[in-house]
Amino acid sequence: KNEVEQSPQNLTAQEGEFITINCSYSVGISALHWLQQHPGGGIVSLFMLSSGKKKHGRLIATINIQEKHSSLHITASHPRDSAVYICAGRNTGNQFYFGTGTSLTVIP
Amino acid sequence: DAGITQSPRHKVTETGTPVTLRCHQTENHRYMYWYRQDPGHGLRLIHYSYGVKDTDKGEVSDGYSVSRSKTEDFLLTLESATSSQTSVYFCAIREGKGSYEQYFGPGTRLTVT
Repeated sequence: KNEVEQSPQNLTAQEGEFITINCSYSVGISALHWLQQHPGGGIVSLFMLSSGKKKHGRLIATINIQEKHSSLHITASHPRDSAVYICAGRNTGNQFYFGTGTSLTVIP
Repeated sequence: DAGITQSPRHKVTETGTPVTLRCHQTENHRYMYWYRQDPGHGLRLIHYSYGVKDTDKGEVSDGYSVSRSKTEDFLLTLESATSSQTSVYFCAIREGKGSYEQYFGPGTRLTVT
């Protein structure tokens, strides 16, 4: 049992497609973190949000705390978006619960 | 990019030997974390620190110890490495002061033979 579940586990898309990655959690969290892990292994922070929506370039993240659900959207996907996307929920302490990641491949 | 480095980046060691991994930050952030990443699992917390000499256990702390004698350095020690500790280890830092965003180091790939 994982406190944070992501779907889908794997996703293949054509360049230009609109992509949605979902994150659901079963524990109470105060904030949710979206991360990107590049094929080389490095992990980069994308968004930290506790309510509503955030946008950065072609990436949009939304969260509904009551429904315990968050989504990451990528508009006009590009092969360079190919990576593993990870969501992590922060509890009221200093710890995070991580999902197992969604592996995205964007085909030219 | 956050100033966070890990050393070594790769290590192969034998079962039963002690191993120390180092995380170094130049951001003066209060919180530091050690995670391991294994196939089929999300990042799992080993130990974390909320200040110099202040540390606490995570969900997979057995077989690991940590020390933080300076703000910038957080050491992870495997007292007697086992094959089950073969993994990729990531260090992360967080400023605190109401900021919850974590910044990750490049990772250390450890193989225990």
